Amino acid sequence: SQKIEQNSEALNIQEGKTATLTCNYTNYSPAYLQWYRQDPGRGPVFLLLIRENEKEKRKERLKVTFDTTLKQSLFHITASQPADSATYLCALHPPNAGGTSYGKLTFGQGTILTVHP
Amino acid sequence: DTGVSQNPRHKITKRGQNVTFRCDPISEHNRLYWYRQTLGQGPEFLTYFQNEAQLEKSRLLSDRFSAERPKGSFSTLEIQRTEQGDSAMYLCASAKGELFFGEGSRLTVL
Repeated sequence: SQKIEQNSEALNIQEGKTATLTCNYTNYSPAYLQWYRQDPGRGPVFLLLIRENEKEKRKERLKVTFDTTLKQSLFHITASQPADSATYLCALHPPNAGGTSYGKLTFGQGTILTVHP
Repeated sequence: DTGVSQNPRHKITKRGQNVTFRCDPISEHNRLYWYRQTLGQGPEFLTYFQNEAQLEKSRLLSDRFSAERPKGSFSTLEIQRTEQGDSAMYLCASAKGELFFGEGSRLTVL
């Protein structure tokens, strides 16, 4: 069966450092992969999407890589700030990206990031 | 605020009661999704509408669950004869491209 694992339940880093979160998957060939941020008691907020034929995507201090051979995505936050503290979720989209399964995401369990001042 | 509104935000009910959640999506979005999230887990897909048509339902959606989207605008998710295992956050999302999630409706079944 499909399985998605995010590297650790919690990650603690010092302000200014780079946070690196890992998302591994098995038994899956996603069309693309998304990363979301979720604050306590709130819904997830979309951050970045990377397609299977893309190696890297950047947005401001965020960078995502996607290695379909390793079946892994890395999510980096550079120059981290305490305001970056949140749960980060990776989500895979099934291969039929343009069909009726669009938006039917499979989420990882999330990594709780805490950035200490 | 993503523009997706969910009500009520919190619902406490006794086992066996029926509950209904409402989702008002972003007006120009034709796709609407329901997900369920339990503590410490990522959201799990429940069902999906394109306009008023319900196109897919997860096996997680038992016969006690029903979702509607009349006229392709707001959607409701009803749970009949609630069980303690139904306690979770019910998330609605709408999309034209990326998904925009609402703040969720938290259900506690006593």
